[in-house]
Amino acid sequence: NAGVTQTPKFQVLKTGQSMTLQCAQDMNHEYMSWYRQDPGMGLRLIHYSVGAGITDQGEVPNGYNVSRSTTEDFPLRLLSAAPSQTSVYFCASSYRMRTEAFFGQGTRLTVV
Amino acid sequence: AQKITQTQPGMFVQEKEAVTLDCTYDTSDQSYGLFWYKQPSSGEMIFLIYQGSYDEQNATEGRYSLNFQKARKSANLVISASQLGDSAMYFCAMRDLNSGGSNYKLTFGKGTLLTVNP
Repeated sequence: NAGVTQTPKFQVLKTGQSMTLQCAQDMNHEYMSWYRQDPGMGLRLIHYSVGAGITDQGEVPNGYNVSRSTTEDFPLRLLSAAPSQTSVYFCASSYRMRTEAFFGQGTRLTVV
Repeated sequence: AQKITQTQPGMFVQEKEAVTLDCTYDTSDQSYGLFWYKQPSSGEMIFLIYQGSYDEQNATEGRYSLNFQKARKSANLVISASQLGDSAMYFCAMRDLNSGGSNYKLTFGKGTLLTVNP
């Protein structure tokens, strides 16, 4: 059982480039989300989805897009990378509200 | 809006001793869940323990227990018999359980870095 799989694990982008962070889960979870982790800030919610075809913004959505065409996949798109988007990105999924979120291993993104 | 406060940026404990990591929260919701996660230096997020706001007993999971004081809005994590492998960042988080998917998000504190000394 793979759980939540994120790719890539490391990425360096130049300012203005675009890219997609991939996230897939094989647990048939309804809820999926993307967080970013910055030093001293904890984890902050970027976007989330409560099911296929349904997405919504979190706390820090600017500069990011998401879509959820299947239950399994929830990609995060950086439209035009900026140095302020240098961070560690985590994808998470949950079966129900009262259960824990399972996290992917994270993607360390550096924008130069 | 929900808020989690972890007032201890860093904590030190001797191996085999118990340690309490503080977490206070602020919410106007009546039904909510509280979570603790561990993040070792390798970076992954590991779920430790969950407490629901209407749970009558404090949650326990092995060496982890949650000291839940609802009136004081605190949900402190207690680690008994600390081990060297417990050295990590610890995050407290909460989720509103009332409003369905729209409030699905987890709100995290800024974390406490625990160092276990031999």
